[in-house]
Amino acid sequence: QKEVEQNSGPLSVPEGAIASLNCTYSDRGSQSFFWYRQYSGKSPELIMFIYSNGDKEDGRFTAQLNKASQYVSLLIRDSQPSDSATYLCAVIGPNTDKLIFGTGTRLQVFP
Amino acid sequence: GAGVSQSPSNKVTEKGKDVELRCDPISGHTALYWYRQSLGQGLEFLIYFQGNSAPDKSGLPSDRFSAERTGGSVSTLTIQRTQQEDSAVYLCASSNRVNEQFFGPGTRLTVL
Repeated sequence: QKEVEQNSGPLSVPEGAIASLNCTYSDRGSQSFFWYRQYSGKSPELIMFIYSNGDKEDGRFTAQLNKASQYVSLLIRDSQPSDSATYLCAVIGPNTDKLIFGTGTRLQVFP
Repeated sequence: GAGVSQSPSNKVTEKGKDVELRCDPISGHTALYWYRQSLGQGLEFLIYFQGNSAPDKSGLPSDRFSAERTGGSVSTLTIQRTQQEDSAVYLCASSNRVNEQFFGPGTRLTVL
């Protein structure tokens, strides 16, 4: 089992819809969770991080964490074509500062 | 202010040659990370430097890979006797806090 798992996609949503990206992790002791966006040919950029169970909202983005079920998700409201990118989930386990990345989900937002 | 910079941006080398990849982190950032990303794949952790502590080398794929960080700033990743499977984008990131890693533009390595 991979430490961080994501569906590779592509996930296709129409402009204006909600895009839902999911990620599961294997280490129950993981403490910190991150979502990065990576445009084709570019480096990852941090969108959000979440530490506590529940929801965390930032503009059109909402991160959701459920430690009991070991999953973290990212919701993008009012999706725009410019949101089309690969979204990488990353997790920091206990007693380490090392980020473990999933393979990413490719999101396509069509007009 | 200046972000993380990496050089070269592209490197093409022949199998068996050694290569050096450079990373200049954001000034004042104490932590520096190297990752590798193969085409269509996620980021693979290679090595992590934090201040003056011994680096976490647990991600280095073989003893052909090594990295140094001089003076707590610039880092060099060295790959000896390169192989075709080493072809990838090598990304460097720096941070002052765990929750804010800033990535450089990467070095695309092609081993012929």
